[in-house]
Amino acid sequence: NAGVTQTPKFQVLKTGQSMTLQCAQDMNHEYMSWYRQDPGMGLRLIHYSVGAGITDQGEVPNGYNVSRSTTEDFPLRLLSAAPSQTSVYFCASSFRMGWGPQHFGDGTRLSIL
Amino acid sequence: TQLLEQSPQFLSIQEGENLTVYCNSSSVFSSLQWYRQEPGEGPVLLVTVVTGGEVKKLKRLTFQFGDARKDSSLHITAAQPGDTGLYLCAGITPPNAGGTSYGKLTFGQGTILTVHP
Repeated sequence: NAGVTQTPKFQVLKTGQSMTLQCAQDMNHEYMSWYRQDPGMGLRLIHYSVGAGITDQGEVPNGYNVSRSTTEDFPLRLLSAAPSQTSVYFCASSFRMGWGPQHFGDGTRLSIL
Repeated sequence: TQLLEQSPQFLSIQEGENLTVYCNSSSVFSSLQWYRQEPGEGPVLLVTVVTGGEVKKLKRLTFQFGDARKDSSLHITAAQPGDTGLYLCAGITPPNAGGTSYGKLTFGQGTILTVHP
């Protein structure tokens, strides 16, 4: 099993550019989420989804959009990149919130110049 | 906003020493998870504690969930260099009965542990 796959692994953007971070899971998990990880701040929830067509905001949603058209995929869109969005982004999935482990991808390291 | 305060933020010890990492909140969680993360990788689940007062052991690691389900601790006995990494606690808030929340996972800031040979 591939588990949770994130692409790209690294990306450098200029301020104002837009891009999509891809996340795919092959475990038929209902729950998927996006986090950003910054030094000293742990993982902060950006957006999450409890199933295809259902998404909700997390702790730090501003500047990001998500959609969930299929069970497998949960892309994260940066609308107009800002230096404050420089971070490491992790996608995670689980069968259901509160049931079993969150399976994380290996992250996307994003730098905004 | 629910917060999980983790302490200490940094821990540097010698091989063979014991250590404890704390995870505290003013909120009650239905369960709590501990993850370990290595550089360049995503966090990996170590344990989930569900019942207040629960103690779980994983080899040299002992996890405890507070009686009120607001706090937890991770104790490592005789630490080894292979234990080096970032340890994260995460509290689970289940979906509410009113249907206004789907439930979420709240992470602490993490503890960076370095064990020197």
